[in-house]
Amino acid sequence: GAVVSQHPSRVICKSGTSVKIECRSLDFQATTMFWYRQFPKQSLMLMATSNEGSKATYEQGVEKDKFLINHASLTLSTLTVTSAHPEDSSFYICSARVFWTSGGYNEQFFGPGTRLTVL
Amino acid sequence: AQTVTQSQPEMSVQEAETVTLSCTYDTSESDYYLFWYKQPPSRQMILVIRQEAYKQQNATENRFSVNFQKAAKSFSLKISDSQLGDAAMYFCASNDMRFGAGTRLTVKP
Repeated sequence: GAVVSQHPSRVICKSGTSVKIECRSLDFQATTMFWYRQFPKQSLMLMATSNEGSKATYEQGVEKDKFLINHASLTLSTLTVTSAHPEDSSFYICSARVFWTSGGYNEQFFGPGTRLTVL
Repeated sequence: AQTVTQSQPEMSVQEAETVTLSCTYDTSESDYYLFWYKQPPSRQMILVIRQEAYKQQNATENRFSVNFQKAAKSFSLKISDSQLGDAAMYFCASNDMRFGAGTRLTVKP
């Protein structure tokens, strides 16, 4: 099946620094990418949806200046957590949507996640 | 935005038995997909099953099947012949990829 990678898998940073997380679709072109954060024992909370070449659509309550999303190509999206603080520590997951023309349907693939710890 | 509700935080099933996980949703769309995902301890999301709203037939994938009640906006997951490897968090998701709160499934040997 199609694979989505995330890098890094784990990152520890100091408070006030910025961290960039990459999400790549390895063997397909993604029409849309999604970013989630997941706190321990909780569900995935959708942060934003992005389409290649256009601005991301952020969910209510998610600060777009804090969580910068760049979707530069059909295979790469990045999430930058700017001026990170301990409360930003979480598990961040991306997913990529592809439209299979042969079957006429969308399918979603998830990355393995990135654990961010802000000291 | 579509909303998804899972009202069972935890469920338990005996190995080889059948268990049903509940999900309700709300949408203004006329055509849409609904999904069940499994998240094991590795935290990698795995698609379990997908249902297209315009299809009246309930989706089935081996031991996994859904009971899709469009009028009631209900989308439950039935796991037959439960296996130890089925133990995980299960999330129901809407067409716009919003997730329910999840149900933690424990399988007892």
